[in-house]
Amino acid sequence: GQSLEQPSEVTAVEGAIVQINCTYQTSGFYGLSWYQQHDGGAPTFLSYNALDGLEETGRFSSFLSRSDSYGYLLLQELQMKDSASYFCAVRSASGGSYIPTFGRGTSLIVHP
Amino acid sequence: GAGVSQSPSNKVTEKGKDVELRCDPISGHTALYWYRQSLGQGLEFLIYFQGNSAPDKSGLPSDRFSAERTGGSVSTLTIQRTQQEDSAVYLCASSTGQGSEKLFFGSGTQLSVL
Repeated sequence: GQSLEQPSEVTAVEGAIVQINCTYQTSGFYGLSWYQQHDGGAPTFLSYNALDGLEETGRFSSFLSRSDSYGYLLLQELQMKDSASYFCAVRSASGGSYIPTFGRGTSLIVHP
Repeated sequence: GAGVSQSPSNKVTEKGKDVELRCDPISGHTALYWYRQSLGQGLEFLIYFQGNSAPDKSGLPSDRFSAERTGGSVSTLTIQRTQQEDSAVYLCASSTGQGSEKLFFGSGTQLSVL
């Protein structure tokens, strides 16, 4: 099976930089995704890493190290609207289906 | 439609009743997923449909749960003889295909079993 570990909660101040880590255990690893979910809202896709390295999309960046089974989401120039839950998800081959398995999520609280 | 649509948005039912939850995926998306999210928890995979292939039902927690997808589009998740532990938000997602890493989620159905 698959398992993912991420911190349950992270707090930071507006304008700061925060990193949310994700470690995973899986067989047949295919890629690591990140999703954002505001309270009561739908999860929305942020990024995907299939290869080692850093992917940058505006204020958000995502990193993957396949050899360490580790990734992180980096949020820069934090804004109040970034307060949300962030989920990492591993895509791996399961009986031929590439079904994402999600972590428990990290609640990010941004203070003024 | 513009996005994934789920109905109803809220459903309150009595223990032992059957419920049906509906998902309208984005037009043209061949892959459809059902997940369950309990309060403060991650997303628990339930079932996956890809085109005309047999669905992957490996995440269904019991035989009280079933799902179908008609015409490769709309999907219905049915929970029979609901239990209080079934209370959760049921999320549907679609994507352009098996190889697509980007899932588009609906806003979910909040199910409360009294």
